[in-house]
This record gives sequence, C-alpha cells and structure tokens, in this order.
Amino acid sequence: AQSVTQLDSQVPVFEEAPVELRCNYSSSVSVYLFWYVQYPNQGLQLLLKYLSGSTLVKGINGFEAEFNKSQTSFHLRKPSVHISDTAEYFCAVSEKTSYDKVIFGPGTSLSVIP
Amino acid sequence: NAGVMQNPRHLVRRRGQEARLRCSPMKGHSHVYWYRQLPEEGLKFMVYLQKENIIDESGMPKERFSAEFPKEGPSILRIQQVVRGDSAAYFCASSPPQGGELFFGEGSRLTVL
Repeated sequence: AQSVTQLDSQVPVFEEAPVELRCNYSSSVSVYLFWYVQYPNQGLQLLLKYLSGSTLVKGINGFEAEFNKSQTSFHLRKPSVHISDTAEYFCAVSEKTSYDKVIFGPGTSLSVIP
Repeated sequence: NAGVMQNPRHLVRRRGQEARLRCSPMKGHSHVYWYRQLPEEGLKFMVYLQKENIIDESGMPKERFSAEFPKEGPSILRIQQVVRGDSAAYFCASSPPQGGELFFGEGSRLTVL
C-alpha cells in the first residue's frame, strides 16, 4: 500500500520569499502524484499533477513541483509567495493500477507573513 | 457546469442519532469517493463507488457507516448512532468514467453533541 509523508506540518514564510513544501511517498508500484490546496472551510483544489513525462510540473498560481523517482519525492515550490497563498497544502499519491483512489498526506499549513 | 454538490454543508446531531450526507457528482462523472477529515488532520479515504456498486470500501469503519450511489439520485453516506468521534468534515469527490483528476465538493461538517 502507498503512503505519503509531509515532514513539515507548519511553514511560516515572509511575503515575496520563496517556499518549498516537502513531500515523500512510498509505493511498491508506479504512481501518479498530486498537490492540492485547501482554503479555510472549503474543499480541495488541484494545484498540479504528475502523470508521466517531464519530471518538472507546473501548476496554477505560480506553483511547480519536481518528481524525483530515486528519492521518492515530489516537493512543491514557489519562487515568491503572496498573502493569498496562506492555506493548507496536501500532497497525494495514486497507484497507476488504481488511478482514482488518492491517498493524502497529513498536510502542511503555509502561513505567509506580511 | 455545476461542480460537486454536497449537502448539508453543516449538520448537528446528538449522540445516537443518524446522519445522512448527500453528494451529487459533476455532470458526466460516474465515480464517487468519500473522504473524512478530522480536525488538524489530512483526508482519509473511506469508500469509492460507481453507480449501484461499491468498488472499494477499505477505509470505511466496520460498523455504523454505510454508503450508496443509486442509479438515480445522489450518493449517500449514512452514519448510524453517531458518537462524538464522528465529528469531522466529510468530503465527496467525483471523477469521469475514464479516470483523471478528482473534483471535490465543499464538504459537509458534522458536529455531534
């Protein structure tokens, strides 16, 4: 069975500074990888996904992530954060044999400080 | 095109009562997933359904919880004899027949008094 680890439960960062949210996964088979964002009292919105091809994936709101198979990582980055990026971020994985059953990490709370 | 619709958005129940949460998937989507989010935690997979079929219920508690997705109408997550530990946000997601991205509803927040 697959699992997802997000080592940082909370990440404070100043406005316009860069940020990296870390994600590691484990699985015995090939996987698809996702990052979702959740704003307070709302549902989840897909930021980006890795299915195949280029290991550098660009998403919405200026975010990008890089798939590293040897390190089983899928870290999320943004070169300059905005106050509106304050939210909960979830890394998620789905086995290629079962595409739609997505397993989520515990989440990282990003707080952007003015 | 309406998104995934969940209702009620907020539900308060006393211990021992029943809670019914409804989810209407996006138009054209035939796969429904239910997730539970406890306070300060991530989302935990509960069940995956297609029309009239439960495909994977490995995340469902063995007792008191059930889910259905009838041929007509929304998917229902039913919790019988609720306890305080059932207080959580319950999210529904849907995906199209060919698979792909999960589209989430805004959640139903259950509070058990």
